[in-house]
Amino acid sequence: GAVVSQHPSWVICKSGTSVKIECRSLDFQATTMFWYRQFPKQSLMLMATSNEGSKATYEQGVEKDKFLINHASLTLSTLTVTSAHPEDSSFYICSARDGQGTSPLHFGNGTRLTVT
Amino acid sequence: QKEVEQDPGPLSVPEGAIVSLNCTYSNSAFQYFMWYRQYSRKGPELLMYTYSSGNKEDGRFTAQVDKSSKYISLFIRDSQPSDSATYLCAMRPLSGYSTLTFGKGTMLLVSP
Repeated sequence: GAVVSQHPSWVICKSGTSVKIECRSLDFQATTMFWYRQFPKQSLMLMATSNEGSKATYEQGVEKDKFLINHASLTLSTLTVTSAHPEDSSFYICSARDGQGTSPLHFGNGTRLTVT
Repeated sequence: QKEVEQDPGPLSVPEGAIVSLNCTYSNSAFQYFMWYRQYSRKGPELLMYTYSSGNKEDGRFTAQVDKSSKYISLFIRDSQPSDSATYLCAMRPLSGYSTLTFGKGTMLLVSP
């Protein structure tokens, strides 16, 4: 089945530093990947749609200069949290579709970010 | 009213019980319905994926969609302790995954 790998699984950083999270589709090519954020006991909230070879599309209220997304190849998208603050601490999850049309989303195992 | 409503639980059942998990929604444009299982500190894992109304069965899992009532269900037969997780419903219209909407999830606890 479709496998999405996310790295790192957890990271602790100091306030003001930047953190990069990688999302890879291991056995399929993904022209589009999606980045979600999940707070405790809350549903997944879409942050942005990552498009291979073009700019990401950000959801309303998500700062594109703070959450930098790069989708340089058909199997890799990265999310960089710049100048992280404690309120950025959350669970970040990427996802991708295997194929086009009606195929469902498959998710990575998430990255727990803690900003101290 | 939120687009997707899901009781957060926790729902506690003994091993072997039949579990019923539900979501209601308000957007009549939703056409694709999914159930994901999420273990603690892990990403969601796709369990069931259905289109429009009807039933779909996969092993111990059965998904039901009633579009007329805007109500979807996931049934788990012969529940196991390993089924203990949070179950998320998700749905979207025809227009694409940028409009995929999740419920908050129901925590299920199956005791041995």
